[in-house]
Amino acid sequence: DAKTTQPTSMDCAEGRAANLPCNHSTISGNEYVYWYRQIHSQGPQYIIHGLKNNETNEMASLIITEDRKSSTLILPHATLRDTAVYYCIVRVLPNDYKLSFGAGTTVTVRA
Amino acid sequence: DAGVIQSPRHEVTEMGQEVTLRCKPISGHNSLFWYRQTMMRGLELLIYFNNNVPIDDSGMPEDRFSAKMPNASFSTLKIQPSEPRDSAVYFCASSLAGEGTDTQYFGPGTRLTVL
Repeated sequence: DAKTTQPTSMDCAEGRAANLPCNHSTISGNEYVYWYRQIHSQGPQYIIHGLKNNETNEMASLIITEDRKSSTLILPHATLRDTAVYYCIVRVLPNDYKLSFGAGTTVTVRA
Repeated sequence: DAGVIQSPRHEVTEMGQEVTLRCKPISGHNSLFWYRQTMMRGLELLIYFNNNVPIDDSGMPEDRFSAKMPNASFSTLKIQPSEPRDSAVYFCASSLAGEGTDTQYFGPGTRLTVL
């Protein structure tokens, strides 16, 4: 019973913004939205998380809709090194210590 | 910051042998997690420690698997005896629980091949 839905794959041109959607229509009020990515042959890497407000850090921006039923991860200037599988996860802090990664979105950045 | 350190990075062994995977969490973190990743099952949580105490080991496949955390800076995952179906990438992650965000940071993983 997946809590999030993401597209299977997407392509992005190097230097352009990559917008990764995630649907979490059954999210509850105390669930955070987390994003991780996994580059080939590496461990999952934390990107960003948020509850209600939009968030930005050195890696990405997270836009959460007002009804919190969906969100978008934005990589502002994609590079070839951003090619990875991106996972959108919802979790209640601190209880949901078991991260459910799902299938994620395979993002390929092309030169 | 060195991040989570795992060793070895690659391990090839024969069926029936004992395998020990090692993890050093990020200094100051109080929670440690062992995950396993396979193509068929994705990432699965095996065991979760908080303040060196096992809290949830419901994901440990069977008695052949055991994990210890003798101190805050070291943990092991042991498989004895190993079987070909144990072949996978094993990740260790750590976090600072109670800090609000409780973000888990993963190590580079150990790729285990059991022949």
